[in-house]
Amino acid sequence: AQSVTQLDSQVPVFEEAPVELRCNYSSSVSVYLFWYVQYPNQGLQLLLKYLSGSTLVESINGFEAEFNKSQTSFHLRKPSVHISDTAEYFCAVRYNQAGTALIFGKGTTLSVSS
Amino acid sequence: GAGVSQTPSNKVTEKGKYVELRCDPISGHTALYWYRQSLGQGPEFLIYFQGTGAADDSGLPNDRFFAVRPEGSVSTLKIQRTERGDSAVYLCASSISRRDTQYFGPGTRLTVL
Repeated sequence: AQSVTQLDSQVPVFEEAPVELRCNYSSSVSVYLFWYVQYPNQGLQLLLKYLSGSTLVESINGFEAEFNKSQTSFHLRKPSVHISDTAEYFCAVRYNQAGTALIFGKGTTLSVSS
Repeated sequence: GAGVSQTPSNKVTEKGKYVELRCDPISGHTALYWYRQSLGQGPEFLIYFQGTGAADDSGLPNDRFFAVRPEGSVSTLKIQRTERGDSAVYLCASSISRRDTQYFGPGTRLTVL
């Protein structure tokens, strides 16, 4: 079955430290990849997406993710985090030959402290 | 512009009761999705509408769940004979078309006592 695995349920880091949130998906067939963020008491917001083209995609607030087809991964990185980045992050995949539904991972809680 | 809106934000009901959850998508978005997010889990797909028709309802857990979108805009998710296991946050998302980015509403938190 198609699935998405987020390897870390919780990631605690100090402010200004680098962070990587890992995401792997189960199949290497044609996919679209997404990271969504959910801030406390807010809804899901799209952070960044990979549809085609350059395998490195960036968000407006300094996050980036790289599509690695051979490793079926789409890890999220930020070189220096802020307290305001504290949130839950969800990796999602759409398998293009399996309809339009997004398949989500279980989420990673990023906690940034000073 | 206005995003996806969902009402109510919270719904508490008793086991066995019927509930309706409403989603108002972004204007002009033809595709609409319902997902369910249980505690500690990521959202799970329930049903997808393209216009007025349910193009994919493979995620509905059983026949107690039903959704409609009669005019191709607002959608209602209906749950009959609610069970405690139905307690979750129900999320609605919309997109311009089926291959475009999905934008999520704030969700309805359903609690079945």
